[in-house]
Amino acid sequence: AQTVTQSQPEMSVQEAETVTLSCTYDTSESNYYLFWYKQPPSRQMILVIRQEAYKQQNATENRFSVNFQKAAKSFSLKISDSQLGDTAMYFCAFMKPVSFQGGSEKLVFGKGTKLTVNP
Amino acid sequence: NAGVTQTPKFQVLKTGQSMTLQCAQDMNHEYMSWYRQDPGMGLRLIHYSVGAGITDQGEVPNGYNVSRSTTEDFPLRLLSAAPSQTSVYFCASIGRGNTEAFFGQGTRLTVV
Repeated sequence: AQTVTQSQPEMSVQEAETVTLSCTYDTSESNYYLFWYKQPPSRQMILVIRQEAYKQQNATENRFSVNFQKAAKSFSLKISDSQLGDTAMYFCAFMKPVSFQGGSEKLVFGKGTKLTVNP
Repeated sequence: NAGVTQTPKFQVLKTGQSMTLQCAQDMNHEYMSWYRQDPGMGLRLIHYSVGAGITDQGEVPNGYNVSRSTTEDFPLRLLSAAPSQTSVYFCASIGRGNTEAFFGQGTRLTVV
């Protein structure tokens, strides 16, 4: 079974600075997807960024980028130019989708990192 | 396009009461699931369905029941509520061949 570990329960950063959230995972699979989800105080779950394991290039979405180290099973999220609206809980998640043999759409989540951006 | 609609948003139950959390999606997604979110625990899978008439257990299924009679709806039933079921519940759906999960707004359930 896959596991996802987020070792930082809480983090804080000053507005406009850069912060990196850590995530490690354990799997014997070679093809899978990794995700970062954001949960602001509104409780809505928002997909921030997605990485396909067979793609070596790190995914980026505007101020959000990942450092994907497949051999180390590490998937960190970097937020550049932090904004007050980035204050949220961030979840790292794993999926082996059904498009891969033996897969399903089940998401396995880490326990989350609460990020606070200070003015 | 409403996406995933989850009701109610808040609910207080007494121990032993039953209730149904409703989840509906209008995106014709085959995969639907229920998660519970507890402090320090992340989101844990309760039950899921890969299509109408097909359901299966997730990581924490005890005390919950589901059915999937249509593609659109995936209700979660608490048969006899217990304080340990106090949590925030999320319904999610994913389209076949896709990887992005669409979540409902969540239900904060308190069992006293």
